[in-house]
Amino acid sequence: GESVGLHLPTLSVQEGDNSIINCAYSNSASDYFIWYKQESGKGPQFIIDIRSNMDKRQGQRVTVLLNKTVKHLSLQIAATQPGDSAVYFCAENIEGYSTLTFGKGTMLLVSP
Amino acid sequence: KAGVTQTPRYLIKTRGQQVTLSCSPISGHRSVSWYQQTPGQGLQFLFEYFSETQRNKGNFPGRFSGRQFSNSRSEMNVSTLELGDSALYLCASSFYPVGNEQFFGPGTRLTVL
Repeated sequence: GESVGLHLPTLSVQEGDNSIINCAYSNSASDYFIWYKQESGKGPQFIIDIRSNMDKRQGQRVTVLLNKTVKHLSLQIAATQPGDSAVYFCAENIEGYSTLTFGKGTMLLVSP
Repeated sequence: KAGVTQTPRYLIKTRGQQVTLSCSPISGHRSVSWYQQTPGQGLQFLFEYFSETQRNKGNFPGRFSGRQFSNSRSEMNVSTLELGDSALYLCASSFYPVGNEQFFGPGTRLTVL
């Protein structure tokens, strides 16, 4: 498959563990945040989003936490599975602006 | 519902040539954004179109251009290709402009020799 990035931070976990992927965003004016998953050879896939009026949002097996004070975003994946192995990106947006700014990404490796 | 499609999937060009990439958004989506992905720079915003109008452009030289048609399909063009233009070019669509869930296509892998 195609490599989406070299020298990415890597998180290695065992199947069944909970995973936490962190992201520091850059703009304190950003008010919309998204997590994407990108598998080799594919485009990014939307996982979950959160707006700045919330500090937590839950999806299926995933939870996003937002700490605006320190400009920090995290993605928690419960009961991580081998199929979760991918590169995960956070992205930020300012409402009214059409630019989505992506973080560098974190590679998640899940061992069976 | 069909996803975002991009053509071609792979392209090899030589320096100085130009290239046109195509993106068909999800049916009903009116916003199309383009991104360049490289190992060194990650995902970088190129431009966004909504209802045939370019709403914003990223920090790329004028050699990078795009357009959107009345059926929301979009093309991007890169003229006078340079080696550094080798990248995965991704297109994303959404019903409304950025600030809502975007769906990405598989990308076009451009290699400039």
